[in-house]
Amino acid sequence: GAGVSQTPSNKVTEKGKYVELRCDPISGHTALYWYRQSLGQGPEFLIYFQGTGAADDSGLPNDRFFAVRPEGSVSTLKIQRTERGDSAVYLCASSLNRRGLGTETQYFGPGTRLLVL
Amino acid sequence: DQQVKQNSPSLSVQEGRISILNCDYTNSMFDYFLWYKKYPAEGPTFLISISSIKDKNEDGRFTVFLNKSAKHLSLHIVPSQPGDSAVYFCAASERFYGGSQGNLIFGKGTKLSVKP
Repeated sequence: GAGVSQTPSNKVTEKGKYVELRCDPISGHTALYWYRQSLGQGPEFLIYFQGTGAADDSGLPNDRFFAVRPEGSVSTLKIQRTERGDSAVYLCASSLNRRGLGTETQYFGPGTRLLVL
Repeated sequence: DQQVKQNSPSLSVQEGRISILNCDYTNSMFDYFLWYKKYPAEGPTFLISISSIKDKNEDGRFTVFLNKSAKHLSLHIVPSQPGDSAVYFCAASERFYGGSQGNLIFGKGTKLSVKP
């Protein structure tokens, strides 16, 4: 079946602009995660959704970052007033995460490469 | 301070030999560990996982060993193939202990090159 998809695959923007990154999880997966990977680093957690609600947003670096998942499926990561330091690959992952069984394996999308000039 | 460490940025192995990738962690609450493989311009691909109640998990050519007392895990690939050349990430989570939603904590990765 279809895996996690992310659009756009690449995004170039200017400092100060607003960007939206989209994630379409695997059908039926209730848990959705956003990570950010900078050059030479492993992915770093940003935010986790269980259904429509953000269960854990402790990884968001500041209030310029916001994410939504209004219908419990597609999610959008929004970055306001972008800065050059926001340049990174933004990865989305999803998992079944059936309640009571703990977190299951997370499956990642290809990522969106964001470059802020 | 990094909770998951992969101290070898790169590893080169001859085709057919064993590849051993190492990972250390500091958080004793971690109870679930995963290895992901990543090719350039692609997202990480799940490879194999292990729960803290086990010390070994095997899947084909891939075996993960967990040493809880040393807070160390390793991934063995036997025999190594050129197609295994990629960056390998170790990840950990607190799957069953309270407080965490199972967010993955990643190491910085080890780039494996398998030479024909």
